[in-house]
Amino acid sequence: AAGVIQSPRHLIKEKRETATLKCYPIPRHDTVYWYQQGPGQDPQFLISFYEKMQSDKGSIPDRFSAQQFSDYHSELNMSSLELGDSALYFCASSPGHLYGYTFGSGTRLTVV
Amino acid sequence: KQEVTQIPAALSVPEGENLVLNCSFTDSAIYNLQWFRQDPGKGLTSLLLIQSSQREQTSGRLNASLDKSSGRSTLYIAASQPGDSATYLCAVIEAGGTSYGKLTFGQGTILTVHP
Repeated sequence: AAGVIQSPRHLIKEKRETATLKCYPIPRHDTVYWYQQGPGQDPQFLISFYEKMQSDKGSIPDRFSAQQFSDYHSELNMSSLELGDSALYFCASSPGHLYGYTFGSGTRLTVV
Repeated sequence: KQEVTQIPAALSVPEGENLVLNCSFTDSAIYNLQWFRQDPGKGLTSLLLIQSSQREQTSGRLNASLDKSSGRSTLYIAASQPGDSATYLCAVIEAGGTSYGKLTFGQGTILTVHP
Protein backbone atom coordinates (compact mmCIF):
# COMPACT_ATOMS: atom_id res chain seq x y z
CA ALA A 1 0.00 0.00 0.00
CA ALA A 2 1.17 3.51 -0.75
CA GLY A 3 2.47 5.47 2.19
CA VAL A 4 3.25 9.07 2.96
CA ILE A 5 6.52 9.96 1.25
CA GLN A 6 8.82 12.60 2.66
CA SER A 7 11.97 13.94 1.11
CA PRO A 8 14.75 14.29 1.80
CA ARG A 9 15.26 11.79 4.61
CA HIS A 10 18.20 13.72 5.99
CA LEU A 11 19.29 17.30 5.53
CA ILE A 12 22.24 19.21 6.90
CA LYS A 13 22.19 22.99 6.64
CA GLU A 14 24.22 25.82 8.08
CA LYS A 15 22.77 28.60 10.21
CA ARG A 16 20.91 31.25 8.24
CA GLU A 17 20.46 28.96 5.26
CA THR A 18 17.10 27.89 3.85
CA ALA A 19 15.58 24.43 3.58
CA THR A 20 12.62 22.96 1.75
CA LEU A 21 10.96 19.77 2.95
CA LYS A 22 8.54 17.89 0.76
CA CYS A 23 5.60 15.65 1.56
CA TYR A 24 3.61 13.46 -0.80
CA PRO A 25 0.41 12.26 0.88
CA ILE A 26 -1.33 8.98 0.24
CA PRO A 27 -3.47 9.24 -2.92
CA ARG A 28 -6.97 10.61 -2.26
CA HIS A 29 -5.96 11.98 1.13
CA ASP A 30 -7.03 15.61 1.15
CA THR A 31 -5.56 16.65 4.51
CA VAL A 32 -1.89 17.18 5.31
CA TYR A 33 -0.37 18.00 8.68
CA TRP A 34 3.21 19.03 9.52
CA TYR A 35 4.78 18.26 12.90
CA GLN A 36 8.16 19.05 14.46
CA GLN A 37 9.74 16.68 16.97
CA GLY A 38 12.76 17.80 18.93
CA PRO A 39 15.05 15.32 20.72
CA GLY A 40 13.17 13.55 23.50
CA GLN A 41 10.00 15.52 22.84
CA ASP A 42 6.55 14.69 21.54
CA PRO A 43 5.58 15.93 18.06
CA GLN A 44 4.45 19.55 17.99
CA PHE A 45 1.87 20.71 15.46
CA LEU A 46 3.10 23.27 12.93
CA ILE A 47 0.51 23.72 10.21
CA SER A 48 -2.20 21.86 8.31
CA PHE A 49 -3.91 21.95 4.95
CA TYR A 50 -7.28 20.75 3.74
CA GLU A 51 -8.05 20.72 0.03
CA LYS A 52 -5.02 22.91 -0.68
CA MET A 53 -6.07 25.60 1.78
CA GLN A 54 -4.40 26.24 5.11
CA SER A 55 -6.77 24.94 7.75
CA ASP A 56 -4.94 25.45 11.04
CA LYS A 57 -1.72 26.90 12.33
CA GLY A 58 0.24 25.90 15.39
CA SER A 59 3.57 26.91 16.82
CA ILE A 60 5.15 27.62 13.45
CA PRO A 61 7.79 30.38 13.42
CA ASP A 62 7.31 33.27 11.03
CA ARG A 63 10.51 32.12 9.31
CA PHE A 64 8.64 29.02 8.16
CA SER A 65 5.98 28.85 5.49
CA ALA A 66 4.13 26.00 3.84
CA GLN A 67 1.74 25.33 1.03
CA GLN A 68 -0.17 22.52 -0.57
CA PHE A 69 -0.12 22.22 -4.33
CA SER A 70 -2.72 21.17 -6.88
CA ASP A 71 -1.45 17.57 -6.79
CA TYR A 72 -1.87 17.66 -2.96
CA HIS A 73 1.81 17.42 -2.20
CA SER A 74 3.00 19.91 0.39
CA GLU A 75 6.23 21.77 1.00
CA LEU A 76 7.55 23.29 4.21
CA ASN A 77 9.93 26.15 3.57
CA MET A 78 12.28 27.16 6.35
CA SER A 79 14.44 30.27 6.15
CA SER A 80 17.12 31.85 8.36
CA LEU A 81 17.70 28.49 9.97
CA GLU A 82 18.73 28.40 13.60
CA LEU A 83 20.44 25.67 15.61
CA GLY A 84 17.16 25.13 17.47
CA ASP A 85 15.43 24.14 14.25
CA SER A 86 17.32 20.85 14.30
CA ALA A 87 14.61 18.24 14.66
CA LEU A 88 12.61 15.52 12.97
CA TYR A 89 9.91 16.94 10.74
CA PHE A 90 6.94 14.73 10.06
CA CYS A 91 4.17 14.97 7.57
CA ALA A 92 0.89 13.11 8.04
CA SER A 93 -2.06 12.69 5.73
CA SER A 94 -5.65 11.62 6.18
CA PRO A 95 -8.74 11.08 4.03
CA GLY A 96 -10.74 12.61 6.88
CA HIS A 97 -10.10 12.97 10.58
CA LEU A 98 -12.49 10.13 11.42
CA TYR A 99 -10.05 7.75 9.74
CA GLY A 100 -6.94 8.75 11.65
CA TYR A 101 -3.59 9.81 10.29
CA THR A 102 -0.72 8.12 8.51
CA PHE A 103 2.72 9.54 9.09
CA GLY A 104 5.71 9.62 6.81
CA SER A 105 9.15 8.51 7.94
CA GLY A 106 10.18 12.07 8.55
CA THR A 107 12.99 14.39 7.52
CA ARG A 108 15.83 14.78 9.98
CA LEU A 109 17.09 18.34 9.74
CA THR A 110 20.42 19.18 11.32
CA VAL A 111 21.48 22.82 11.46
CA VAL A 112 25.18 23.37 12.11
CA LYS B 1 -6.41 23.96 25.37
CA GLN B 2 -6.24 20.19 25.03
CA GLU B 3 -3.58 18.50 27.14
CA VAL B 4 -2.64 14.86 26.81
CA THR B 5 -0.74 13.08 29.57
CA GLN B 6 0.80 9.63 29.46
CA ILE B 7 1.72 7.55 32.49
CA PRO B 8 4.21 6.09 33.15
CA ALA B 9 6.93 8.05 31.35
CA ALA B 10 9.06 4.91 31.20
CA LEU B 11 8.48 1.25 31.87
CA SER B 12 10.88 -1.68 32.00
CA VAL B 13 9.48 -5.20 32.15
CA PRO B 14 10.70 -8.76 31.63
CA GLU B 15 9.64 -10.59 28.52
CA GLY B 16 6.24 -12.25 28.72
CA GLU B 17 4.60 -9.75 31.05
CA ASN B 18 1.26 -8.17 30.30
CA LEU B 19 1.33 -4.41 30.65
CA VAL B 20 -0.86 -1.33 30.55
CA LEU B 21 0.00 2.12 29.28
CA ASN B 22 -2.22 5.00 30.32
CA CYS B 23 -3.29 8.14 28.50
CA SER B 24 -5.52 10.94 29.73
CA PHE B 25 -6.84 14.05 27.99
CA THR B 26 -8.47 17.19 29.35
CA ASP B 27 -11.05 18.01 26.66
CA SER B 28 -13.54 15.30 25.76
CA ALA B 29 -14.43 17.01 22.47
CA ILE B 30 -12.49 14.56 20.34
CA TYR B 31 -13.24 12.70 17.12
CA ASN B 32 -11.03 9.78 17.96
CA LEU B 33 -7.85 8.65 19.65
CA GLN B 34 -4.88 7.04 18.00
CA TRP B 35 -2.01 5.06 19.51
CA PHE B 36 1.36 5.14 17.76
CA ARG B 37 4.67 3.40 18.15
CA GLN B 38 7.98 5.15 17.50
CA ASP B 39 11.37 3.48 17.35
CA PRO B 40 14.38 5.71 18.12
CA GLY B 41 14.92 8.26 15.37
CA LYS B 42 12.19 6.74 13.24
CA GLY B 43 8.70 7.63 12.11
CA LEU B 44 5.37 7.09 13.79
CA THR B 45 3.60 3.81 13.14
CA SER B 46 -0.13 3.74 13.81
CA LEU B 47 -1.12 0.88 16.10
CA LEU B 48 -4.80 1.41 16.83
CA LEU B 49 -7.47 4.00 16.08
CA ILE B 50 -10.50 4.27 18.36
CA GLN B 51 -13.35 6.46 17.23
CA SER B 52 -15.13 8.48 19.89
CA SER B 53 -18.23 6.28 19.64
CA GLN B 54 -16.21 3.13 20.29
CA ARG B 55 -15.05 1.64 23.57
CA GLU B 56 -12.14 -0.46 22.40
CA GLN B 57 -10.13 -1.78 19.49
CA THR B 58 -7.96 -4.86 19.24
CA SER B 59 -5.10 -5.82 16.99
CA GLY B 60 -3.16 -8.97 17.76
CA ARG B 61 -1.62 -8.65 21.21
CA LEU B 62 -2.73 -5.05 21.52
CA ASN B 63 -5.99 -3.81 22.97
CA ALA B 64 -6.88 -0.16 23.39
CA SER B 65 -9.83 1.16 25.35
CA LEU B 66 -11.42 4.59 25.40
CA ASP B 67 -13.57 6.24 28.05
CA LYS B 68 -14.33 9.56 26.46
CA SER B 69 -16.40 10.94 29.32
CA SER B 70 -13.60 10.50 31.82
CA GLY B 71 -10.88 11.45 29.33
CA ARG B 72 -8.94 8.21 29.55
CA SER B 73 -7.50 5.57 27.28
CA THR B 74 -5.38 2.53 27.99
CA LEU B 75 -3.19 0.43 25.73
CA TYR B 76 -2.87 -3.15 26.89
CA ILE B 77 0.00 -5.24 25.55
CA ALA B 78 -0.22 -8.96 26.17
CA ALA B 79 2.75 -11.28 26.46
CA SER B 80 5.32 -8.55 25.83
CA GLN B 81 8.37 -9.27 23.66
CA PRO B 82 11.76 -7.53 23.32
CA GLY B 83 10.63 -6.35 19.89
CA ASP B 84 7.89 -4.31 21.59
CA SER B 85 10.57 -2.00 23.00
CA ALA B 86 9.80 1.47 21.67
CA THR B 87 8.13 4.73 22.60
CA TYR B 88 4.34 4.57 22.60
CA LEU B 89 2.49 7.78 21.88
CA CYS B 90 -1.16 8.53 22.46
CA ALA B 91 -2.79 11.25 20.35
CA VAL B 92 -6.29 12.70 20.28
CA ILE B 93 -7.93 14.15 17.21
CA GLU B 94 -9.68 17.25 18.36
CA ALA B 95 -13.23 18.15 17.45
CA GLY B 96 -13.57 21.58 18.95
CA GLY B 97 -13.20 25.13 17.69
CA THR B 98 -10.12 26.17 15.80
CA SER B 99 -8.34 22.90 16.59
CA TYR B 100 -10.73 20.92 14.39
CA GLY B 101 -9.06 17.72 13.25
CA LYS B 102 -5.70 18.45 14.88
CA LEU B 103 -3.70 15.66 16.50
CA THR B 104 -2.42 16.48 19.97
CA PHE B 105 0.15 14.10 21.39
CA GLY B 106 1.10 12.96 24.84
CA GLN B 107 4.77 12.86 25.74
CA GLY B 108 4.94 9.12 25.31
CA THR B 109 5.84 6.08 27.36
CA ILE B 110 9.28 4.57 26.75
CA LEU B 111 8.89 0.82 26.98
CA THR B 112 11.79 -1.56 27.42
CA VAL B 113 11.14 -5.30 27.37
CA HIS B 114 14.20 -7.27 28.43
CA PRO B 115 14.76 -10.94 27.66
